[in-house]
Amino acid sequence: EPEVTQTPSHQVTQMGQEVILRCVPISNHLYFYWYRQILGQKVEFLVSFYNNEISEKSEIFDDQFSVERPDGSNFTLKIRSTKLEDSAMYFCASTLDGAGYWYEQYFGPGTRLTVT
Amino acid sequence: ELKVEQNPLFLSMQEGKNYTIYCNYSTTSDRLYWYRQDPGKSLESLFVLLSNGAVKQEGRLMASLDTKARLSTLHITAAVHDLSATYFCAVDKGGSQGNLIFGKGTKLSVKP
Repeated sequence: EPEVTQTPSHQVTQMGQEVILRCVPISNHLYFYWYRQILGQKVEFLVSFYNNEISEKSEIFDDQFSVERPDGSNFTLKIRSTKLEDSAMYFCASTLDGAGYWYEQYFGPGTRLTVT
Repeated sequence: ELKVEQNPLFLSMQEGKNYTIYCNYSTTSDRLYWYRQDPGKSLESLFVLLSNGAVKQEGRLMASLDTKARLSTLHITAAVHDLSATYFCAVDKGGSQGNLIFGKGTKLSVKP
């Protein structure tokens, strides 16, 4: 069964460093998302991406964040200068638009980002 | 601003008992999702409810949606230990492209 994959599973970085989190969405999906979940808290929407551009972003997704689909298969989230409060689990998700309805979003296994 | 509230946030049940988790949301939405999350794991889709009055069942779990009341319920029948997990409801933000707003989750613990 197709699935969303994410790498790495765990990333440890120092404050102020840049990190890139990678996702490979399900191959025929058209919409891609990043969410984050701070330990023990709810899942929060960061950004949605369609047709090679950002569709919508939340207040969390400030200038330190960027997304890219560099090669038609990978979908990346970059944090330019990490802060302690960026420590969280980051989930990638994808979905397929069919007949004008939104199908369920399939989530990847997540990348745990630890900023020290 | 769309808000999604779940209750209870913590639920300790005995095996064999029934219980209901509630999910209220603040603005109009026609799509509601239930996800399960095991500790340290990703989100597993349980149900997608697309219309008023929708009811879906899978094993011991049954979800329903009342869009007029802006309420969804997840009913657990004859709980077993394997159902122990955190359950999230999420609502599709109206006018968005599938961006989900999640509740805080209900941590369910089923004890023998």
